[in-house]
Amino acid sequence: GIQVEQSPPDLILQEGANSTLRCNFSDSVNNLQWFHQNPWGQLINLFYIPSGTKQNGRLSATTVATERYSLLYISSSQTTDSGVYFCAATGGTSYGKLTFGQGTILTVHP
Amino acid sequence: ETGVTQTPRHLVMGMTNKKSLKCEQHLGHNAMYWYKQSAKKPLELMFVYSLEERVENNSVPSRFSPECPNSSHLFLHLHTLQPEDSALYLCASSQGGAGGDTIYFGEGSWLTVV
Repeated sequence: GIQVEQSPPDLILQEGANSTLRCNFSDSVNNLQWFHQNPWGQLINLFYIPSGTKQNGRLSATTVATERYSLLYISSSQTTDSGVYFCAATGGTSYGKLTFGQGTILTVHP
Repeated sequence: ETGVTQTPRHLVMGMTNKKSLKCEQHLGHNAMYWYKQSAKKPLELMFVYSLEERVENNSVPSRFSPECPNSSHLFLHLHTLQPEDSALYLCASSQGGAGGDTIYFGEGSWLTVV
């Protein structure tokens, strides 16, 4: 099955800094999503982005499907951005069989 | 609020107990899923239901028994669990089953087996 790798595993920032999280995947995808997991465990959808670029406020994401990677950009980080960021992908015609990366643990200090 | 609701949010059960986790989606989706998140491991897909039929069972032990009575509800029945089954169990739903749809997750059910 598809392999998903995320980097870096941990990231510590000061409030106001910018950051880039990376997701590499091993095969072509028809679904790629970025999630933020809050301290209570809920996975919050950030982007559905199998290809192209999207922006939502201080967050943006780019997926270059031909080169099998996706990037999540966080600008002007805030303490509320802390948590775990997951990239997950589905290849082929799988029924929502998202394969998750290991996640990036982001800590934003005031 | 994602439109996917899970109950209970927290559950402590003994190894000989029988309990159930419940998931309800209010999004009109056709597919529902159970995922498991253990400490220090990536989220793992357990079961997939599409139009109330199970289309995926990802080598899950029989002590976990899913039930999907209709397209809006999904249960995970638990019996004779082991301490290593303690984890966060996440329910999710999507519009279709072709893999190209946004998947929405519930808040999760934290399970502790003692």
